[in-house]
Amino acid sequence: GENVEQHPSTLSVQEGDSAVIKCTYSDSASNYFPWYKQELGKRPQLIIDIRSNVGEKKDQRIAVTLNKTAKHFSLHITETQPEDSAVYFCAATGANSKLTFGKGITLSVRP
Amino acid sequence: EAGVTQSPTHLIKTRGQQATLRCSPISGHTSVYWYQQALGLGLQFLLWYDEGEERNRGNFPPRFSGRQFPNYSSELNVNALELEDSALYLCASSLGQGAKNIQYFGAGTRLSVL
Repeated sequence: GENVEQHPSTLSVQEGDSAVIKCTYSDSASNYFPWYKQELGKRPQLIIDIRSNVGEKKDQRIAVTLNKTAKHFSLHITETQPEDSAVYFCAATGANSKLTFGKGITLSVRP
Repeated sequence: EAGVTQSPTHLIKTRGQQATLRCSPISGHTSVYWYQQALGLGLQFLLWYDEGEERNRGNFPPRFSGRQFPNYSSELNVNALELEDSALYLCASSLGQGAKNIQYFGAGTRLSVL
């Protein structure tokens, strides 16, 4: 089945700096890659997603890039703010259309 | 529009008991997904229901089961509870089959097994 891994497991950045979170997936048939943000004590919320026919997608301070050849995709957050502090999950669909999540990365933005 | 709702918010059980968790999807959504979120383990896929049928199942023992009702709400049942079942159980819903449809999450049920 699909295997999704996130690197690193924790990330600390200074407010205003950029943060990059990387994920790798195993199933070359995967075609949908969402990113979810989960603040402490709250539900995961979709922040951006990308489909396999697109290499990059941007939404204000957030962007996602996809490299199908290398089977990895990354979340880029620019001009980080304290409210960006949360756990971020990447996910990918396998051939069976099941969404497989990574273990999550804790992002801390230092004021 | 109401989001995905789950009940109860918290549930405390003892080992060996049975737990029932409930989920109401967003109106119009036919697919319901269940995930287990244990500390440090991310979101582990449990079950996926669509149009009343179980479509896929994660790597969990048979004592984890569920169903989807005609109104698309869903129930997750955990029998013979074990201590390691203590976790946050999240339900998500989407418009249709498959993970290409965006999944929206509920706030979860926190299950504690003593």
